[in-house]
Formats: sequence, structure tokens, C-alpha cells
Amino acid sequence: QTVVTQEPSFSVSPGGTVTLTCGLSSGSVSTTYYPSWYQQTPGQAPRALIYSTSTRSSGVPDRFSGSILGNKAALTITGAQADDESDYYCLLYMGSGISVFGGGTKLTVL
Amino acid sequence: EVQLVESGGGLVQPGGSLRLSCAASGFTFTSYAMTWVRQAPGKGLEWISNIDGSGGSTYYADSVEGRFTTSRDNSKNMLYLQMHSLRAEDTAVYFCARGGYLLMGLWGDGTTVTVPS
Repeated sequence: QTVVTQEPSFSVSPGGTVTLTCGLSSGSVSTTYYPSWYQQTPGQAPRALIYSTSTRSSGVPDRFSGSILGNKAALTITGAQADDESDYYCLLYMGSGISVFGGGTKLTVL
Repeated sequence: EVQLVESGGGLVQPGGSLRLSCAASGFTFTSYAMTWVRQAPGKGLEWISNIDGSGGSTYYADSVEGRFTTSRDNSKNMLYLQMHSLRAEDTAVYFCARGGYLLMGLWGDGTTVTVPS
């Protein structure tokens, strides 16, 4: 069974840039997996940030961007702010109606 | 107001059944696929099921296949998750979300299901 991999944790300084990645235990992520990214703060519902690799969801500031870097999907936050401190999850479409979330990355801004 | 509101969670004994509901409002319900996602305590998000706008196609994660059934009543703008043979590992907050694999752009606040071990 293919596992979607993410860094368990990451830290960034306020104003800094951080890139979170989303890979596969076997194979490469491409646009055909329609990677999307979700942000979740504790006790809250997730919020969509990026879909279809690089399209920002409505209302998401342009300091969030998505891409494919090498064999992984990537979420880059430019000019990190304190309220970006959250858990970030990628979602990949595996085909045949099935999607799989990565394990999530806990981002600390300090 | 555009929103999703889940209900139906609670405490259920192992092997029991429960039906979750998700009430949609403020948008054209039939235009969207709908998805169920769950989150066990202290754990990450888990995609568990998706249904297309007509209700004609449903998809499930291996972890719930054969035990859970997703359905929708488009006349009532309602989404359902019927859960059978519940296990301790099904303990989680269950979210409904508007959309499918491309984008889940609207989420409910979730409803909690507890299955004691």
C-alpha cells in the first residue's frame, strides 16, 4: 500500500520562507495526483489552501504557493507569520475515486 | 449562509452501528461531490469516503470498505455516513466536506464518535 509522506515537523522564523513536501513511499508525485494542501489549527476544521498542485483556494494569501519539486509536491510559505503556525496536510488522488492524506507536518513559527 | 453541519456522533459499543448526518445549506448541493474525513485523537486526517453529486458513485478507504456506507438525499440537502461493526480504531472526529479529490473547499466542524476498547 502506497503511503503519502510528509515531514513530521518543521520550523521557520517569522518573515522566513519554508517549503513543506509531499511524497510517495513508492514513485513520484506528479500533477496527475492533483495534490492539494490543507491547513488545520488545533480544535478547528481544516481549511483548503492549494488545489490541483498550484491553484490557491478562495481567500488564501499569495504567500502560499504550490508546486512540484523534483518527485514531490511542495507547499511554500513566503514571509511566514505567527498565525501560520498550524498542521499542514497534503492530499493526493490515487485514482479510482480514492484519495489519501499525508501524515501531516506540524509547522512552528519561532 | 454557506455551511455544513454534522450530527449523530456519540458513544457506541464495539460492534455497534451509528449514522452520521451532514446538513448542507447555502449552495447548490447537487453540484458537488461530498467527502467524509476523520481524525482520530491526536492523529492526522484520514480520507474515508466520497460520493458524487448524483449519489450514483461512492468510494471508500480500505479501512472502512464493507462496514461504512455513504449516501445522500439531494431533496433534503443531506449527506449520511452509515457505520456498522464499529471498532475502537474508528474513534475520531468525523468531518464532512464539500467537494471531492480536486478540492474540499468547505468543511463542517465535525462530530465525535467514540468506540471504547
